[in-house]
Amino acid sequence: SSELTQDPAVSVALGQTVRITCQGDSLRNYYASWYQQKPGQAPVLVIYGKNNRPSGIPDRFSASSSGNTASLTITGAQAEDEADYYCNSRDNGVHVAFGGGTKLTVL
Amino acid sequence: QLQLQESGPGLVKPSETLSLTCTVSGGSISSNTYYWGWLRQPPGKGLEWIGNINYRGSSYYNPSLKSRVNISVETSKDQFSLKLSSVTAADTAVYFCARRVLATAGLSIWFDPWGQGSLVTVSS
Repeated sequence: SSELTQDPAVSVALGQTVRITCQGDSLRNYYASWYQQKPGQAPVLVIYGKNNRPSGIPDRFSASSSGNTASLTITGAQAEDEADYYCNSRDNGVHVAFGGGTKLTVL
Repeated sequence: QLQLQESGPGLVKPSETLSLTCTVSGGSISSNTYYWGWLRQPPGKGLEWIGNINYRGSSYYNPSLKSRVNISVETSKDQFSLKLSSVTAADTAVYFCARRVLATAGLSIWFDPWGQGSLVTVSS
């Protein structure tokens, strides 16, 4: 099955823009979805499809993709955005792949 | 508002079978649009997809777990269940259930909403 690779940790200054990336062969064919997970909580979907936000997700979250890399961008990061972020996609079949997660620190 | 809730034993002995049930409320499990999934997260580690099932019982499993996993559905109760056999300490994790959506002409897949998670510890 497909593998998705994420940087283990990323940091951003409060109010600045940060990009979290996800790499994998499946991303050449499928969109990535993105989840935010805070300690002790279940993951929350923040981006799905090409670049769609569920109701209640701030518009500072956006997504893009190029080749085998998908990106989640937070424009104007807030303290409450500090969390783990996971990407996932369909692999080249009926299965599902997740990235290893990126820990975002807001300084 | 759709909600999912995991239930089952929090402690399982090595070599035994882990069993969890997910109850769906605020909506019906009997939809042609969705699959229903199990995922897990070992302590301090990332998310792992275990498998999906639809209301008709059509299922897909993570190849790395396929030999030990069975997911079943009981539409009359709006529930689906996970059985993982021959467990070891490596199966200790928080187990989540979630609704799986496949859309954008099959190009996009996501899980939403999620249950709160159920910690299962494998220990004698």
